[in-house]
Order: sequence, then C-alpha cells, then structure tokens
Amino acid sequence: EPEVTQTPSHQVTQMGQEVILRCVPISNHLYFYWYRQILGQKVEFLVSFYNNEISEKSEIFDDQFSVERPDGSNFTLKIRSTKLEDSAMYFCASSRDRAPYNEQFFGPGTRLTVL
Amino acid sequence: DQQVKQNSPSLSVQEGRISILNCDYTNSMFDYFLWYKKYPAEGPTFLISISSIKDKNEDGRFTVFLNKSAKHLSLHIVPSQPGDSAVYFCAATDGTSGSRLTFGEGTQLTVNP
Repeated sequence: EPEVTQTPSHQVTQMGQEVILRCVPISNHLYFYWYRQILGQKVEFLVSFYNNEISEKSEIFDDQFSVERPDGSNFTLKIRSTKLEDSAMYFCASSRDRAPYNEQFFGPGTRLTVL
Repeated sequence: DQQVKQNSPSLSVQEGRISILNCDYTNSMFDYFLWYKKYPAEGPTFLISISSIKDKNEDGRFTVFLNKSAKHLSLHIVPSQPGDSAVYFCAATDGTSGSRLTFGEGTQLTVNP
C-alpha cells in the first residue's frame, strides 16, 4: 500500500540553525500539507500546497518557514532560523483530492529537537 | 483554538464491547469530518470520514455518526479489539481551497483483553 515517507525520523539542531525536513508524498497525490504537534498539544496545521504554490498557511507559518517541491517526488519544509519553540513532531500529509473529499494521508513524522 | 473538542482524554473498554468516542465542534462552516487513529511514534492513520450531508457512515467495525444541530460527532467501534488501543483524533475541514484539517485533542482508547 502506498505511503507517505519522511526523513529524517529525528533531527537535533542548535537554535538559530536552518533545518530542512523532507517528505515523499504518495505518488498520484496532488495536494500536500505540513502539520506539527508540540508535545502534549493538538496537531496543528501549518501549510497546504498545490500546483507549486501555497494554498493556505496558518498564523504559525511565518517568514521563518518555507515549503518547496524541488522535483516530482519530494516536498520539503525549511525552517530558516530555528527557535526552541519549534521543537515538535512535524507531519507531512498528502491527498489525491481537495476538499471536501479530502482524506489526508500522513507520514510517520520527523521529531525536531531544538537545543 | 477550541473549534474541535474531544472532552475525554481517555477511554477504557473491555474487548468485545462497544467503544464510543465523542467530538464536538463550534465552527458551523465545517462540512467534512474525519477520524484518525495514531499509534506512538507513527503518524495519524485515516480511519473513516463523513460529509455534512450525511448523518451516518459505516465501514466494517467503525461507524461515525454526525448530529449537525448539536455540532457533535461520534465514532463507534464494535466489537472493540486490543489492537484498537491508540489515540483517536477527530478532525474537521470547511472545504476552503487550503483544505486545512482542524484537530481535536485526541482520546486515548485502551481496549483490555
């Protein structure tokens, strides 16, 4: 069964450093998403992406964040200058269709630890 | 952000019995609802969904009920199995172009053998 994959599974970085989280969505999916879950909190939407541009972003997704689909398979989330509060699980998701028939399939996540 | 709320952080049931997980929402623009299951160290796994034009959707042991007037949905699992033990998230979307999902806090379901 096709699945969303994410690398690395765990990333440790120093505050102020740049990180790139990588995702390979399901191959015939057209819509891509990033979510995050800070320990003990809800899963929160960050950004959605379709047709090589951002469809929607949340208030969390400020200028420190960017997304890119550099080739036909990868979807990346870049955090330019990490802060302690960026420590979280980051989930990539993809869907074949847009809303409302919108089952989003999630990857296993990348645990980002900012020291 | 309290648009989707799961008031029970945990639920414990006996194997073979029914599990009922509840979810409330406040945003009347939500028109599609989903349940996800999550095991530790894994991402959420899609379980079942329901459109606001329906009041029930069934898939095997899983049934989701939607009460639009009460802004309430529930997930029924029957019969419950030990492998169902996981965190269950309710999520909702309002069908805008971005298709963002708004999640509840999750309910930890434990099914005891």
